[in-house]
Amino acid sequence: AQSVAQPEDQVNVAEGNPLTVKCTYSVSGNPYLFWYVQYPNRGLQFLLKYITGDNLVKGSYGFEAEFNKSQTSFHLKKPSALVSDSALYFCAVRDPPSGGYNKLIFGAGTRLAVHP
Amino acid sequence: DGGITQSPKYLFRKEGQNVTLSCEQNLNHDAMYWYRQDPGQGLRLIYYSQIVNDFQKGDIAEGYSVSREKKESFPLTVTSAQKNPTAFYLCASSIGRTSQETQYFGPGTRLLVL
Repeated sequence: AQSVAQPEDQVNVAEGNPLTVKCTYSVSGNPYLFWYVQYPNRGLQFLLKYITGDNLVKGSYGFEAEFNKSQTSFHLKKPSALVSDSALYFCAVRDPPSGGYNKLIFGAGTRLAVHP
Repeated sequence: DGGITQSPKYLFRKEGQNVTLSCEQNLNHDAMYWYRQDPGQGLRLIYYSQIVNDFQKGDIAEGYSVSREKKESFPLTVTSAQKNPTAFYLCASSIGRTSQETQYFGPGTRLLVL
């Protein structure tokens, strides 16, 4: 069965330092992968997605993610963290279409705390 | 959040009461979705609709019902059969149903039980 794991409940990083939020997946076939961010009491905002092509995907707000097929990972990264990046981050995966509907499977989320 | 509105922002339900959460989108998207968010569990799919007058159960449909009479609207009713309704409910939409398309989310409705 398809699944997504975010192994860290919380990530702490100092402002200005690089950040990484980890995501691993398990799917049949080629994965389509997404990252979303959620600020308190708000909906999810789309950051980036990997469908095919270059393994390094660039997204909104300076975030990027690297698709690694051999490690079944899709870690979210940013070279220099901002305090305003503090939020809840979700990784999600979807299988390619097989004639029917495709749904997003979400990880449990990772809370990112950036300290001044 | 732009283009998808959810109301109310907070909703209180009494024992045995049905309540309806509103979701409207002006993005001309065909597909719409309802998710439930509980702390530490990520999001779980309740119902989805790919076109008007059609909808399908997701992973946790018991105790919920939906309708899709208009393309822009996908209301969710939390019935009295849902014994643990306290959660944050998120509506989303996408252009169509293919897996490459991004789902965009509304701001959410927080449902609390009195």
